[in-house]
Parts: sequence; structure tokens; C-alpha cells
Amino acid sequence: QQQVKQSPQSLIVQKGGISIINCAYENTAFDYFPWYQQFPGKGPALLIAIRPDVSEKKEGRFTISFNKSAKQFSLHIMDSQPGDSATYFCAASWGNYGQNFVFGPGTRLSVLP
Amino acid sequence: SAVISQKPSRDICQRGTSLTIQCQVDSQVTMMFWYRQQPGQSLTLIATANQGSEATYESGFVIDKFPISRPNLTFSTLTVSNMSPEDSSIYLCSVSRGPQETQYFGPGTRLLVL
Repeated sequence: QQQVKQSPQSLIVQKGGISIINCAYENTAFDYFPWYQQFPGKGPALLIAIRPDVSEKKEGRFTISFNKSAKQFSLHIMDSQPGDSATYFCAASWGNYGQNFVFGPGTRLSVLP
Repeated sequence: SAVISQKPSRDICQRGTSLTIQCQVDSQVTMMFWYRQQPGQSLTLIATANQGSEATYESGFVIDKFPISRPNLTFSTLTVSNMSPEDSSIYLCSVSRGPQETQYFGPGTRLLVL
């Protein structure tokens, strides 16, 4: 199975709150899990990524939690800000040269001031 | 990371015509990819642009409709041929530098076909 499922489709959070986006996969060959952030009119930008040898990775307000046994991973945005309002895509891939990326359907996040 | 530029940034085209989109990277990269993103949708891989050989196309995409060139390690073009309104979309170039590397995306080309 090459799909990556992502939820919720859209998310509204108050400023200062925690935004949580979840993804799930089936293919156990996946070994790289990035998150991309896309603002309207822009290309997707790499936000944070994790490999399955760790269960959590934190960069500033952004944290990836990874559960290998459940084949799930999630993005947590702490202290969400209006500037975080964007569409977030999770992805999964395998292989050594950046190929074989499978993207989730995306989550549109709105952070209210 | 990588600095990627795309030309044109947007265009409005007539049905039946063709448009060539350019992707330029600031340094040599191993892999270059072309994606399509329908409004409000996720990214769909069109093809992998191979330097010195024919592109590798994904299911549902064919060379006659989307010819791709990659003359060197920093440049690629995607042509959308014989366009119809269904081709209206955002076309994105992405690159990967090599082993254990992620994909970095260009700003995209917004195409509207009338």
C-alpha cells in the first residue's frame, strides 16, 4: 500500500493553542517521514523530518512523534501563531536518492488571533 | 537546502497550445522531479527527470503530453502539450541532492488554460 492517510482535513486553533495533525501509513518499507508547510501561492517547504530509528524529534515549536509499531506519525505545533496558518502535508518515502515520495492529502490549518 | 527558481511563475494559455516550464537550481543535484498540484489538493508526481536519458513517468502521465528535458545537473524543463482546461494546475519542480536527502520544492508555476 503506497497511501499515506492524513487527518484532520482542516483544523482551526486559537492563538497559543496546540495544533495536532496525524498521519498513518501501511508500507513498512518507508524509512523517511517529512512534513511540508505550504502557504498560498508558494511551493511546499520542508518543515521537519524524522527517520524511524527515533520516536520524537523537536525543532522549536514543531515536534514529530513517531510510532513505528502503529505505523503512525504526527506533527505537534506548540503555541500556535496566526503565521502558522498554512496547509501541511505529511509524506513518506524509501530509497536513497530522495525519490519515492508519497504525500498525504494535506491539512489546512487556521490559527485565529 | 536548495535555491530553486521556476519560469514562468504563472501563465494563462489558450486551449490547444503548449507551454514550457523551466526549473533552475543553484547547484548540481542528483534528482529532479516534476509534480502537479490541483487547487486545494495534494501533490501528484508526474515524472522523474533523468540527466542524459529519458524521464521516468508515473502511471497516468505520458511523454507525448508532458515531454521533459534535463540537459545538465542544474536545469530541467517540463512542457505541457496540447493543453485543455483540465491541465489548469500548479506545476512544481523539486530536487534532491543525493543519498539520504529530502526533496526541496520550487515556487511553482500557476497555469490557467482557457
